[in-house]
Amino acid sequence: DAKTTQPPSMDCAEGRAANLPCNHSTISGNEYVYWYRQIHSQGPQYIIHGLKNNETNEMASLIITEDRKSSTLILPHATLRDTAVYYCIVRVWGNQFYFGTGTSLTVIP
Amino acid sequence: DTEVTQTPKHLVMGMTNKKSLKCEQHMGHRAMYWYKQKAKKPPELMFVYSYEKLSINESVPSRFSPECPNSSLLNLHLHALQPEDSALYLCASSQGHSTSTDTQYFGPGTRLTVL
Repeated sequence: DAKTTQPPSMDCAEGRAANLPCNHSTISGNEYVYWYRQIHSQGPQYIIHGLKNNETNEMASLIITEDRKSSTLILPHATLRDTAVYYCIVRVWGNQFYFGTGTSLTVIP
Repeated sequence: DTEVTQTPKHLVMGMTNKKSLKCEQHMGHRAMYWYKQKAKKPPELMFVYSYEKLSINESVPSRFSPECPNSSLLNLHLHALQPEDSALYLCASSQGHSTSTDTQYFGPGTRLTVL
């Protein structure tokens, strides 16, 4: 059972910020939100994760709402190489990832 | 180094063949995973090994048989597969901490075609 809901597709202009939303309204208090991306038929690539605080690394920022029912992944300056399927995942207790259906992001020149 | 390697990259097999997929990591991770991904679908968890013991089997048919010979290696033995088993098979590994953040690192996958 998918624990996350994402829009199926989004476009973003090159150089602009890409904001990818995710709904995880049934998340439990100790479950982490992870984001991965998958570029055409390659293995998923880790981007970022968080529990309840906002997080930032060299790839992206993760904004989690105070009630933890949704989050947004922000790619600050999208490039053509960011075109991929982005998965929002809830990591449940015990090493299990449940992938959502993902958002296909297309960065447009 | 966050590399997980998988061999072969591509595999074509008949329904009566026996083949194996191999996954290897040298990050000292103690949890390893097999996922199956059909075209245009998200990865689906198949098996989880934790400290070389099978901890999760997501009701996978017995024609898929996992094996973890040591903490660095994970195999998936295939026998009597069906054409609908054609998919990208992904391996992942993580440190194995089930009670805290435990990032999974994925290999490039094996593209399996069953004729």
